[in-house]
Amino acid sequence: ETGVTQSPTHLIKTRGQQVTLRCSSQSGHNTVSWYQQALGQGPQFIFQYYREEENGRGNFPPRFSGLQFPNYSSELNVNALELDDSALYLCASSRPQGNTIYFGEGSWLTVV
Amino acid sequence: AQSVTQLGSHVSVSEGALVLLRCNYSSSVPPYLFWYVQYPNQGLQLLLKYTSAATLVKGINGFEAEFKKSETSFHLTKPSAHMSDAAEYFCAVSDRRDSSYKLIFGSGTRLLVRP
Repeated sequence: ETGVTQSPTHLIKTRGQQVTLRCSSQSGHNTVSWYQQALGQGPQFIFQYYREEENGRGNFPPRFSGLQFPNYSSELNVNALELDDSALYLCASSRPQGNTIYFGEGSWLTVV
Repeated sequence: AQSVTQLGSHVSVSEGALVLLRCNYSSSVPPYLFWYVQYPNQGLQLLLKYTSAATLVKGINGFEAEFKKSETSFHLTKPSAHMSDAAEYFCAVSDRRDSSYKLIFGSGTRLLVRP
């Protein structure tokens, strides 16, 4: 149990739709990162939020966007869903200046 | 750019046998290194990490890993495998100069434990 909670755990969307995934970070952690894990692959870094600002972004298109709220919780939004967006989306949190990242259980997204 | 290579997408051992999962990294400066475990349909759990202290790092569940700079390796070992160790294992690297400490993962190694 890492204290990082994500919702929903599973969802199915249609190609072209939009989705919002949510994450609550561990207590005391002000940094939240999002990763995409396609089936059979390692996770890939999408972006990170620190103090409500984006602090680093991976190789993902602009239709992947995010928010961080004053309580450090976060959202990942994906617009214009494509079939290849089907994956496990992992949220992770860390302490200020912390080099250890703790992951949630993930949200499984299926795009049909 | 940093990268991680995990040799062997699948490793099969007998219960009680030595577990050895291989990880090699590429980085221009000594990185932070991590091993995570992922059980079916679950998120990632941190097993252990190397952040420039002792080169032999002990983690949870009896696992340990040794940082070898000359070999750019960070292999994961466990003296005696248990059935409960069956899972996917990921090696990851992060750049200590990057304030985001974002993780770059290998492609994973699935550990199978035979009774």
